[in-house]
Amino acid sequence: AQSVTQLDSQVPVFEEAPVELRCNYSSSVSVYLFWYVQYPNQGLQLLLKYLSGSTLVKGINGFEAEFNKSQTSFHLRKPSVHISDTAEYFCAVSGDGTASKLTFGTGTRLQVTL
Amino acid sequence: DGGITQSPKYLFRKEGQNVTLSCEQNLNHDAMYWYRQDPGQGLRLIYYSQIVNDFQKGDIAEGYSVSREKKESFPLTVTSAQKNPTAFYLCASRGTYNEQFFGPGTRLTVL
Repeated sequence: AQSVTQLDSQVPVFEEAPVELRCNYSSSVSVYLFWYVQYPNQGLQLLLKYLSGSTLVKGINGFEAEFNKSQTSFHLRKPSVHISDTAEYFCAVSGDGTASKLTFGTGTRLQVTL
Repeated sequence: DGGITQSPKYLFRKEGQNVTLSCEQNLNHDAMYWYRQDPGQGLRLIYYSQIVNDFQKGDIAEGYSVSREKKESFPLTVTSAQKNPTAFYLCASRGTYNEQFFGPGTRLTVL
């Protein structure tokens, strides 16, 4: 079984400030890790994914995430946020086998203000 | 453009009615999923299908039904047995590395 914990339900931040959204996971097998973004009244959009190799993964919209196996974490970061980054962010984990189940965290609401 | 389409975007249902939500994909993916999302909450899995003519219940299947007669299509019926159907419904398909690709969603409201 696997699980995902997003410790922060809401993260307020000022525009142009850096941000980190935290994600921790548990799994008994090797994992694939994902971050999704959801804007109001829209579906989820894949931001980035970690499959293997380099632990620093770059995604769309200037986001990046770092896989830390020893701490079982996959935190999402952006050095300078914009108002348009206001959205819900979901972390997700699956096993690395074919057709493994994808488990989502409960989401973090990023609120960017001026 | 490849992707997932859902229709309608907004749907209103009267008490006691069954309604069907459409989900179509042209990504050639075998597996498809239906999720329910309530305000301020995460995703809850309703049903999923790994292959045509086969599907399994997710965590909250009661009051819902699905079919998978074609690879491209995975419609969801919300039956009158679903006591609290007002929610945002998301359809997804699975890619090569277990990532899921989502449609734009259908917002269902019970009048």
